[in-house]
Amino acid sequence: AQSVTQLDSQVPVFEEAPVELRCNYSSSVSVYLFWYVQYPNQGLQLLLKYLSGSTLVKGINGFEAEFNKSQTSFHLRKPSVHISDTAEYFCAVRALSGAGSYQLTFGKGTKLSVIP
Amino acid sequence: DSGVTQTPKHLITATGQRVTLRCSPRSGDLSVYWYQQSLDQGLQFLIHYYNGEERAKGNILERFSAQQFPDLHSELNLSSLELGDSALYFCASSVEGQGATEAFFGQGTRLTVV
Repeated sequence: AQSVTQLDSQVPVFEEAPVELRCNYSSSVSVYLFWYVQYPNQGLQLLLKYLSGSTLVKGINGFEAEFNKSQTSFHLRKPSVHISDTAEYFCAVRALSGAGSYQLTFGKGTKLSVIP
Repeated sequence: DSGVTQTPKHLITATGQRVTLRCSPRSGDLSVYWYQQSLDQGLQFLIHYYNGEERAKGNILERFSAQQFPDLHSELNLSSLELGDSALYFCASSVEGQGATEAFFGQGTRLTVV
């Protein structure tokens, strides 16, 4: 079984400042890693994903994340945030093996509030 | 637009009632996953259907059931509704197998039980 821990439930940050949203996971098998964003009253939108290869992955809206296998972490970063980045961010894992089912296991989410 | 369609977008119903949520996956995707998002439990996997067959169950209550039809759309049936069933219900579709790289989510159905 997999589990995901998002270490911060809320992160306030000033506009144009950098931000890091932390995510740690636990799994006994290899996983794919994802970050999703949910804007108020909206569905889930994929920000970026790590499948294999380079440990630094770039996503949409200027976000990037780094996979660290030894730390079992997948932290999300943005060098300069904008008001429009205010949303809830979810880290998720998807196992690469199993009984033919590859459901996502989500963290509890981090609410990013960008302050003007 | 993810290509996954969920209807209705909003649903308000009374305790004890039964509702059906519908999901149409992306063209070509054989898998449909259902998730529940609530304030206290977060995002939780409910059930997975692949090409009409149940593939896996998560934290799904016995009062809830799902099915996937030959045209691949899926329905989630919630019965004997309780106040605590109020939540946002998402479906996601995916190409399946180890080559699958991501799931695509619908906009969700917000269920309010009063």
